[in-house]
Amino acid sequence: EAQVTQNPRYLITVTGKKLTVTCSQNMNHEYMSWYRQDPGLGLRQIYYSMNVEVTDKGDVPEGYKVSRKEKRNFPLILESPSPNQTSLYFCASSHLGSGTVNTEAFFGQGTRLTVV
Amino acid sequence: GNSVTQMEGPVTLSEEAFLTINCTYTATGYPSLFWYVQYPGEGLQLLLKATKADDKGSNKGFEATYRKETTSFHLEKGSVQVSDSAVYFCALSENSGYSTLTFGKGTMLLVSP
Repeated sequence: EAQVTQNPRYLITVTGKKLTVTCSQNMNHEYMSWYRQDPGLGLRQIYYSMNVEVTDKGDVPEGYKVSRKEKRNFPLILESPSPNQTSLYFCASSHLGSGTVNTEAFFGQGTRLTVV
Repeated sequence: GNSVTQMEGPVTLSEEAFLTINCTYTATGYPSLFWYVQYPGEGLQLLLKATKADDKGSNKGFEATYRKETTSFHLEKGSVQVSDSAVYFCALSENSGYSTLTFGKGTMLLVSP
């Protein structure tokens, strides 16, 4: 079954304690990205990656890191979490679009992070 | 930059009512347009898409037509069901070989029996 898997689904942590949210896809997609979803703000992109070892900042990258050592995995790292990073996080993947054809993005089920 | 504006919710309807959720966009060039749906406790799923002007996307009774002249992509369904209760996101992607999506803020739909 084609899917994007995020772990954990729920996480409560304390300010300053480093954490990693994992994301894995089994569709051989080139493109992967992380979004955060906040009430009244919709989804905002944090980081994205177009291929292995290629990552770039999205709209709200401050306080986050990512890596893309393998095509299937794209972990999100919070080196020193703060309460304003409390949010619902989604990982997504897709093939790269070409020409006038864009392809569907597949989303993970989300990680609800609370930083106290 | 790109932006997507959709009507604020919640939209509250009775079963079998007609649904419209408005979506307008601002983009350079000719983007592809999408509607994603998020059911409670789940991630987003693609509902339908249109890649060029005048295209109509459709799925599960939902439809949306890409209107370049009004920069709109309104979502419609003739008869909603309780199971359609969810949050609906309008989104666009530039046709540039990249797949970055720009989302609207989402519209919650609540359908009562």
